[in-house]
Amino acid sequence: AQSVTQLGSHVSVSEGALVLLRCNYSSSVPPYLFWYVQYPNQGLQLLLKYTSAATLVKGINGFEAEFKKSETSFHLTKPSAHMSDAAEYFCAVSENQGGKLIFGQGTELSVKP
Amino acid sequence: EPEVTQTPSHQVTQMGQEVILRCVPISNHLYFYWYRQILGQKVEFLVSFYNNEISEKSEIFDDQFSVERPDGSNFTLKIRSTKLEDSAMYFCASSPTGDTQYFGPGTRLTVL
Repeated sequence: AQSVTQLGSHVSVSEGALVLLRCNYSSSVPPYLFWYVQYPNQGLQLLLKYTSAATLVKGINGFEAEFKKSETSFHLTKPSAHMSDAAEYFCAVSENQGGKLIFGQGTELSVKP
Repeated sequence: EPEVTQTPSHQVTQMGQEVILRCVPISNHLYFYWYRQILGQKVEFLVSFYNNEISEKSEIFDDQFSVERPDGSNFTLKIRSTKLEDSAMYFCASSPTGDTQYFGPGTRLTVL
């Protein structure tokens, strides 16, 4: 069965610091992997996705994620945090095209000035 | 840029009442989904819909729930007799080919 674990329900960084949000998954087949962001009182916005092409995936707003099969990880990074990055971030996995997304519990990112 | 839209943004209902949550997926998308997020919990899959039929549903999606695509543009989720535990944010999503899902802003359902 698919599952997603996001380490750390809350991460706090200073503006300009590296952002690292961790995601580990379990899947019986090569997965599709996604990161979504949810700003307060808004829906889920796609940040980036991995669908078996390049293992380093670049997304919007300067975020990127690296698929590491040996570690079953898909961590999200951004070199320099901005105040506007404060939001909740969700990692999700799907085992097949058209299939359901299984979400992690989310990580709330705070950015301190 | 096309977006998924959902109405209403907030629905308040009494326990036992029927509610219909409405979604307009992105035009030309073929796959449709409903998810929900209970306050403080994970986003959970409810149901997926493709080719005018349910393709997958979760354990949550029991006989109290139904989905329809009545007119080729709207995609609705009906809860026949709401319970207190149905209070959640309900998200609709659509996908053109099934690989990337685009989410609407959600409907907050409050059951009193």
